[in-house]
Amino acid sequence: DAGVIQSPRHEVTEMGQEVTLRCKPISGHNSLFWYRQTMMRGLELLIYFNNNVPIDDSGMPEDRFSAKMPNASFSTLKIQPSEPRDSAVYFCASSPIAGEVFEQYFGPGTRLTVT
Amino acid sequence: AQSVTQPDIHITVSEGASLELRCNYSYGATPYLFWYVQSPGQGLQLLLKYFSGDTLVQGIKGFEAEFKRSQSSFNLRKPSVHWSDAAEYFCAVGNQGGKLIFGQGTELSVKP
Repeated sequence: DAGVIQSPRHEVTEMGQEVTLRCKPISGHNSLFWYRQTMMRGLELLIYFNNNVPIDDSGMPEDRFSAKMPNASFSTLKIQPSEPRDSAVYFCASSPIAGEVFEQYFGPGTRLTVT
Repeated sequence: AQSVTQPDIHITVSEGASLELRCNYSYGATPYLFWYVQSPGQGLQLLLKYFSGDTLVQGIKGFEAEFKRSQSSFNLRKPSVHWSDAAEYFCAVGNQGGKLIFGQGTELSVKP
C-alpha cells in the first residue's frame, strides 16, 4: 500500500501566482480531507469530500481557495492568487468509510512558501 | 461544540522516564478518540484509537491511553521514553460525518 501521495512536497512561489496542490488518496478510501498546518493556528480542516462530493468547505479561508475531486483517486487544492499568509504545510488525508468516524491516513504534506 | 484541549504545549522528559500527555475533550455523545504522532517534516501517524469497550487502549510503539468518561480525558502514556519518541503529539475526537477535531498538539523533547 503506497499510502496517501501528495505532490509537490515543496513549493516556492511568488505572491500573486496560482498554486495547485495534488493528492492521491489510498485506493478504496471514500473520504478525503485537506488540512493546513501553521505554527499560529495549528492543524485546520479546510474541506472534505465523501464519495468525491464536497461535504463541508467551511474551513476554506476565502474565495482564493478552491478544491476539486474529479474522481476517487485524485484531488486538487488550488490557491489563486497566492499570498504570503498562505505559507503553511498542507496535508491531505483519506479515510476508508464515508460519513463515519474512522481513522484518517495522512500524506507527507506539501510545504508551501509564498514570497 | 466539540473541542479538544491539550494543556501542555511542550514537555521535556529524560530518556527512560515515564511519559503522560494530557488530553481533555468536549463532546456530547460517546466520543471516538485518537492519538496521532508527527515527526519533524512528516505527516501524522495514528498511534491508537478508542471507539468502545476496554477503556485502556494499546497502540503502536509501546504507547497506551486510558479513556476516563468522568474526567472527559484520554491521556497518552508510555512507561519508558526513547529518544526516537521526540515528536509532536495530537489528540483528536471524531464527530458525526467523519470529521476529526484536533487539539493544538504537545511537543515532546527527550533529554539524553
